[in-house]
Amino acid sequence: DGGITQSPKYLFRKEGQNVTLSCEQNLNHDAMYWYRQDPGQGLRLIYYSQIVNDFQKGDIAEGYSVSREKKESFPLTVTSAQKNPTAFYLCASSIYRAHSNQPQHFGDGTRLSIL
Amino acid sequence: AQSVTQPDIHITVSEGASLELRCNYSYGATPYLFWYVQSPGQGLQLLLKYFSGDTLVQGIKGFEAEFKRSQSSFNLRKPSVHWSDAAEYFCAVGPFNTNAGKSTFGDGTTLTVKP
Repeated sequence: DGGITQSPKYLFRKEGQNVTLSCEQNLNHDAMYWYRQDPGQGLRLIYYSQIVNDFQKGDIAEGYSVSREKKESFPLTVTSAQKNPTAFYLCASSIYRAHSNQPQHFGDGTRLSIL
Repeated sequence: AQSVTQPDIHITVSEGASLELRCNYSYGATPYLFWYVQSPGQGLQLLLKYFSGDTLVQGIKGFEAEFKRSQSSFNLRKPSVHWSDAAEYFCAVGPFNTNAGKSTFGDGTTLTVKP
């Protein structure tokens, strides 16, 4: 079955450390997204990518970085510059069409905590 | 700018009772509207979507939603709630005539089901 795989499910970060969250999809979707979810705040967009080798900042990109070298993969790095990284991170993908909007398919998330 | 408001942070209903979750949006053109459900520690699952046409849309798990342009609303309904419906529900609005491909999510409504 096609879907989105996020790994690991739980991740711990030490002070000053960068960590990378993996997101892989086999849905053949062009667009991929990273969201951060905090209690009571819904989903906030970190980065998104509509095509390979291109990505755009979302609403809360500071302290995060991404790459999109392959269509299937969109890893997110939480850098040491992100001072409050404890959150639930969700990756999503969708078909991309100009002048349209397609529903997003989500992975099961990665919970990041500070040691 | 587009926005979504879910006025109810938390709703409790008895099993077998009817349910209505409210969603109001702000967008200057015809919106694309979605409802998602999230179980604890999981990603989001699409319940239903509205793009155009019939304003009453049917989704999975017995849910339906009605688009009311005059009220800028897209409320989610279910005639008889089951204990397994306890989860968090998110309304989202997608842009129409743009290539951004992003969605804006509400802050969510947590549904508790009493036996």
